[in-house]
Amino acid sequence: SQQGEEDPQALSIQEGENATMNCSYKTSINNLQWYRQNSGRGLVHLILIRSNEREKHSGRLRVTLDTSKKSSSLLITASRAADTASYFCATVAGPSGSARQLTFGSGTQLTVLP
Amino acid sequence: ETGVTQSPTHLIKTRGQQVTLRCSSQSGHNTVSWYQQALGQGPQFIFQYYREEENGRGNFPPRFSGLQFPNYSSELNVNALELDDSALYLCASSLTGGGLTEAFFGQGTRLTVV
Repeated sequence: SQQGEEDPQALSIQEGENATMNCSYKTSINNLQWYRQNSGRGLVHLILIRSNEREKHSGRLRVTLDTSKKSSSLLITASRAADTASYFCATVAGPSGSARQLTFGSGTQLTVLP
Repeated sequence: ETGVTQSPTHLIKTRGQQVTLRCSSQSGHNTVSWYQQALGQGPQFIFQYYREEENGRGNFPPRFSGLQFPNYSSELNVNALELDDSALYLCASSLTGGGLTEAFFGQGTRLTVV
């Protein structure tokens, strides 16, 4: 089952603009991760934010986490055509020693137009 | 490139047949997870292996089985293939037993069942 739901499902912007994607989830988490996927290929890890963190930056990426609202957002600043991809949030939950698998949302398809 | 390799990249099988997919994890990683990704959906957790033992399983029937070898490479076996098994199968390796750190994904095996 899907834990997270991304919003919007699809986003189309011009190069240079900022892109914001949102993710909502249902249960308590250990951490939340964002991944990127190009054209049905493997996923690439972008950023991990722990449940006790509120904001994290990595290059042009900014992630926020609001555990009270069970939501996260991914901001990509100054987007480029090469950022065109599907973006997924994935939550990790469970006690120590459990599998702690990634539970993915359904993704946001981002298209950056040159 | 993540260092995680999957084979084969594409596969066509007939309903009722059996298939084995292979994954070589990143050097030093002792945990391998398998995911199924249907078209337009996020990946769904199948199971995870940690030091050659199954360490958690998603909502998949027993005809989905796996192995992890002493060198931490892994296999996913699917028996009695059904049309709905058509999907991208992703392998992910990580250092710890779960999602506390980032997962490194292979490029996937595209399985088509006809």
